[in-house]
Amino acid sequence: GAVVSQHPSWVICKSGTSVKIECRSLDFQATTMFWYRQFPKQSLMLMATSNEGSKATYEQGVEKDKFLINHASLTLSTLTVTSAHPEDSSFYICSSLAVSSYNEQFFGPGTRLTVL
Amino acid sequence: SQQGEEDPQALSIQEGENATMNCSYKTSINNLQWYRQNSGRGLVHLILIRSNEREKHSGRLRVTLDTSKKSSSLLITASRAADTASYFCATTNSGGSNYKLTFGKGTLLTVNP
Repeated sequence: GAVVSQHPSWVICKSGTSVKIECRSLDFQATTMFWYRQFPKQSLMLMATSNEGSKATYEQGVEKDKFLINHASLTLSTLTVTSAHPEDSSFYICSSLAVSSYNEQFFGPGTRLTVL
Repeated sequence: SQQGEEDPQALSIQEGENATMNCSYKTSINNLQWYRQNSGRGLVHLILIRSNEREKHSGRLRVTLDTSKKSSSLLITASRAADTASYFCATTNSGGSNYKLTFGKGTLLTVNP
């Protein structure tokens, strides 16, 4: 399958700071990427759909000004958690969409964010 | 919104035994997929079954889909300790985006050596 990387794999920050997470599609171009959040022992919740060259589409209840998404190229999407608070601590996972008859999503390894 | 519900939430078996996990969903779907997640890691795609398919096999995996009951099952045969992970079903809904995945709550499978 295709390879998607995320950087950093983990980050610890102080409350009030902003954190940027990168998602890279390494071996195929992805016009669409997705950002998910996963709390401990829970499932993945879709936060937003990242579209190359246009604004991201956010799911209901997700603050677009809190979670800034930039999909500036066909291989890179970034998620910036602005003014992070302890309740933002979570596992953030991205995926890249490979458009085909299966429309398969390839997932990154995730980023563990801990806000102190 | 979470529409998939897996059961059991946790399953513990001995190596060599079969493991069966079930998933139910609420809306009409285009396809249903099963993923595996090792603790603290990303997701690995296991198998996809389309809404017009009833059964699919891949190695030691067997997936069934019953659209009349809005349910699917994942069977792992001859389990190994390395199969220990969380397993999630995810659906794409018909009538909506063909890309967006809605994940179930997952089953934590523990295979004891």
